Amino acid sequence: GPKVLQIPSHQIIDMGQMVTLNCDPVSNHLYFYWYKQILGQQMEFLVNFYNGKVMEKSKLFKDQFSVERPDGSYFTLKIQPTALEDSAVYFCASSSTGSVFFGKGTRLTVV
Amino acid sequence: QQQVRQSPQSLTVWEGETAILNCSYEDSTFNYFPWYQQFPGEGPALLISISSVSDKKEDGRFTIFFNKREKKLSLHITDSQPGDSATYFCAASGGGSNYKLTFGKGTLLTVTP
Repeated sequence: GPKVLQIPSHQIIDMGQMVTLNCDPVSNHLYFYWYKQILGQQMEFLVNFYNGKVMEKSKLFKDQFSVERPDGSYFTLKIQPTALEDSAVYFCASSSTGSVFFGKGTRLTVV
Repeated sequence: QQQVRQSPQSLTVWEGETAILNCSYEDSTFNYFPWYQQFPGEGPALLISISSVSDKKEDGRFTIFFNKREKKLSLHITDSQPGDSATYFCAASGGGSNYKLTFGKGTLLTVTP
């Protein structure tokens, strides 16, 4: 199926530092998403993004989180500053008209 | 409040048997229901999906049965194979132009040879 690429696959960062997670969505997709998964459990919606704007965000999308996709490059999730509870696997996803495809995730460890 | 519920939490079947994974939902505006398969260390992969206008969707060994009145659906995996061992997530969305998915907690399926 269509591939969503995420870079890096793992990231270890000191608490309080900034981290940027990168996503290369499927080329013709217009809707982009970030989800959070802790310890292989439930996938939790964070935010979705369309036409350069955030469409909807959940209560998990704290003020320290931001997303952007400058000039059609990577779709990014930035966390600044990071907290211990931000440790999780973050999945990027994209869709065009229905089917949502996920990347392999970035495992973020905040120490 | 859990919007999408899955049962059982884990399931073990023998190779060749049919595995039945259950899902129910609360929000009557949900109209699109994909199932995802996830292997350890991987992202969820879209397996099969159904819209609320249908009561059955089949794709090879995988079939979704959907009951809109009871807000329930199930995924049947016939002739289960050891390679089917994974976590299966039921998800739901209200469709439209948003496609925001609400996931259940997943069912861990183990197929024993």
